[in-house]
Amino acid sequence: EGQLVESGGGLVKPGGSLRLSCAASRFTFSSYEMIWLRQAPGKAPEWVSYISSSGTTTYYAESVKGRFTISRDNVKDSLYLQMNSLRAEDSALYYCAREFEDCSGTTCYEGFDSWGQGTLVTVSS
Amino acid sequence: DIQMTQSPSSLSASVGDRVIITCRASQSIKNYLNWYQQKPGKAPKLLIYAASSLQSGVPSRFSGSGSGTDFTLTISSLQPEDFATYYCQQSYSTPPYTFGQGTKLEIK
Repeated sequence: EGQLVESGGGLVKPGGSLRLSCAASRFTFSSYEMIWLRQAPGKAPEWVSYISSSGTTTYYAESVKGRFTISRDNVKDSLYLQMNSLRAEDSALYYCAREFEDCSGTTCYEGFDSWGQGTLVTVSS
Repeated sequence: DIQMTQSPSSLSASVGDRVIITCRASQSIKNYLNWYQQKPGKAPKLLIYAASSLQSGVPSRFSGSGSGTDFTLTISSLQPEDFATYYCQQSYSTPPYTFGQGTKLEIK
């Protein structure tokens, strides 16, 4: 099973920026699609962003599109989330996760099978 | 976006009970449905994917069923370590992959 360790969270003022990192180990990072999710206290997890194994395809939640950028370095086995123009509603525990895939023929099912411990982002003046 | 609605939001049960949690999608998601378990202070853990496939290492007392818009997670005989919050999540088509609001399973 993979290991993921997030870092880079902290307290930032509205309008500020943060860069989150996720260090991967114990699996072949370059073979996996990766995800950022977040979870506000007492709330369900929220999918934030996706990046393909090569880094060429990305997706974003509407709530962060244009403000957040996901990227990866397959040499350093690391995933990143650049967060700009931060808002109070971005405050949450941010998790990186590995996307698990089980394919049979042309049908593939995905889930998030390995998660980090999370890094806390607080946006407040 | 596809909306996921779980019921109940909370549930009290005893060790040994059979528990069923339901999840409804706002449109058909075929069987692209996952279930996660989350304990306090921990990240969610994948239990079931493709509506009914048990993730490796997950006890067989957990099972899932359903397709289209209606799904269930069943715990056949509750164990003390099963008290947690459970989330459904759809993985149909392209992102965003939305989660249900959660079902908190508490000890009676």
